[in-house]
Amino acid sequence: EDKVVQSPLSLVVHEGDTVTLNCSYEVTNFRSLLWYKQEKKAPTFLFMLTSSGIEKKSGRLSSILDKKELFSILNITATQTGDSAIYLCAVVTGTASKLTFGTGTRLQVTL
Amino acid sequence: EADIYQTPRYLVIGTGKKITLECSQTMGHDKMYWYQQDPGMELHLIHYSYGVNSTEKGDLSSESTVSRIRTEHFPLTLESARPSHTSQYLCASGQGARDTEAFFGQGTRLTVV
Repeated sequence: EDKVVQSPLSLVVHEGDTVTLNCSYEVTNFRSLLWYKQEKKAPTFLFMLTSSGIEKKSGRLSSILDKKELFSILNITATQTGDSAIYLCAVVTGTASKLTFGTGTRLQVTL
Repeated sequence: EADIYQTPRYLVIGTGKKITLECSQTMGHDKMYWYQQDPGMELHLIHYSYGVNSTEKGDLSSESTVSRIRTEHFPLTLESARPSHTSQYLCASGQGARDTEAFFGQGTRLTVV
């Protein structure tokens, strides 16, 4: 059974702090890893990672994948209250592109 | 912007009723997914499809059924709703031979009383 584990489960930081969210996986037929941000309703897409060692960046967010050690990290620098959300990691596997999500990390950024 | 729509957004229904949650996408995506998510909890895959007339069960056992007669449409049906089916149901679609990014609908919050 495919397994995706995120840590920490929950995190409270002050505005301006830098945070690192972790995602490890044990799956069969890995294709790609996706990061999503979920605030109230539907998750919104952040990054897709397919190759090891290549950092993806979008503003204050960045992410990297290690396919040898089977994990990914999501970094958020200079956090803002608007970054408060659940961050979800998902792994895409197989020819049917099955998506398996982790439990998510709940991030709260306080003033 | 992703064009994937779910209806209804909210549904309150009595025990024993048959319901169908609609999901449609206008992007021509081959892959479509249904997830169940309780408040503050993780997303659980309950069904997915990689093309017309193909459906697979996900990791979480579900009493619901799905069909994929048309590329753009992936409805989920509960023959007899129960309070244990109360949850949020999220539909997603994706495309790509190698790299697959999934777009989500806004979800249907189902309450069975």
